[in-house]
Order: sequence, then C-alpha cells, then structure tokens
Amino acid sequence: QKEVEQNSGPLSVPEGAIASLNCTYSDRGSQSFFWYRQYSGKSPELIMSIYSNGDKEDGRFTAQLNKASQYVSLLIRDSQPSDSATYLCAVNRADDNNDMRFGAGTRLTVKP
Amino acid sequence: DVKVTQSSRYLVKRTGEKVFLECVQDMDHENMFWYRQDPGLGLRLIYFSYDVKMKEKGDIPEGYSVSREKKERFSLILESASTNQTSMYLCASRRQGQNIQYFGAGTRLSVL
Repeated sequence: QKEVEQNSGPLSVPEGAIASLNCTYSDRGSQSFFWYRQYSGKSPELIMSIYSNGDKEDGRFTAQLNKASQYVSLLIRDSQPSDSATYLCAVNRADDNNDMRFGAGTRLTVKP
Repeated sequence: DVKVTQSSRYLVKRTGEKVFLECVQDMDHENMFWYRQDPGLGLRLIYFSYDVKMKEKGDIPEGYSVSREKKERFSLILESASTNQTSMYLCASRRQGQNIQYFGAGTRLSVL
C-alpha cells in the first residue's frame, strides 16, 4: 500500500462545475496536509494547507480533512480551464518534520 | 517571493557520465531537498540537507550523492549515470521549523 494514494485520473469536468480531488494516507500520526498544483512541465506550487479536521476555504478552493478516516480532499468550485493541471497531495509525518510524502497526483482537465 | 533556481531545465547525458545538478535558493532557508518525479510514482525523496555540510539519505539515495558547501546551494551528483536515472529532478527548500516547501522549476534529465 502506498503511503499517500490518489486516483491518477484523468478527471474531466466541464467549466463551472465542482472538481473533487481525493487523497488517502496510511500514517495515522500525520498532522500536516498540503495540496500542490503542477502545470505540465512546471514545478509544484502550494495552493492549500490544512492541519485540523474540517474544512478550510480559500477563494474557489476548499480543503477537507478527516483524520479518523485518513482522508483529505480538495474541492474546486466554478472550475476554469486554467485549473487544468496535476494536483499533488502531500502529507507530513508528525515525528519527522523533514519527511514529506507525496501522492502520485491526479490530473484534472476542465473543458470549456 | 521565494526563488529556487535549478541550473538546467533539460540535460542529455551518456551512460557512465558524472552529472551535476545545481540548485540555489535565495531565502536563507536551512533545509533543502532533492526529489525525482516519475509518472505514476509521484515525488520520491533522494536526499535532504538540514543545513550547511549536513545531509541525510531519503528513500532512494542509491546512485546519487549530494553536496552542501554553502547554505544557498545544494548539488545533486550522479556518480555514473544510468538509463534508469532518466527522470524529472526537483529541488525544494524550506525554512527550518516550517512545513511548506518551495520548488524549483525542475531539470528533465535524459540518460542515453
């Protein structure tokens, strides 16, 4: 079992729809969770971080964390073609601040 | 803005060559990281450095070494390049005690 699992996609949604990206992790001690966006041929850029159970909203993006289910998700409302990218889920283990684990990423395509 | 600069965007090398990948950050970050990114596998940590002259092995250090002689620069060395080291290499940096990593643009290395 991978430590951080994501559906590789591709996930395709029409413009204006809600895109839902999901991530599960295996280490119950994980405490910090991140979503990075990576455009094709570019480096990952941080878009959301979440540390406690519940929802965290930032503009059109909402991160959701459920530690009991070891599940973190990213919702993108009013999806735009410019949101088309690969989204990487990353998890930091509690006892090792230098040990960030990344999922393989979900490729999202938003169709006009 | 944090800037992490990788010296080359694309490199083509021959099997057996010694290869140097350079990374420079301008935010006085203590921690620096080298990852490789392969389709379906996500980002895998090769080496990281807590501070100058300090280094720790990541998940896949075999065939690689690193050098951190100055705080702003972290070099990845392929002692004898092999075809299975063809990959995208990403450098990242982070301030000590914080979780967020900032990535360079990446170097796509092809070993023929």
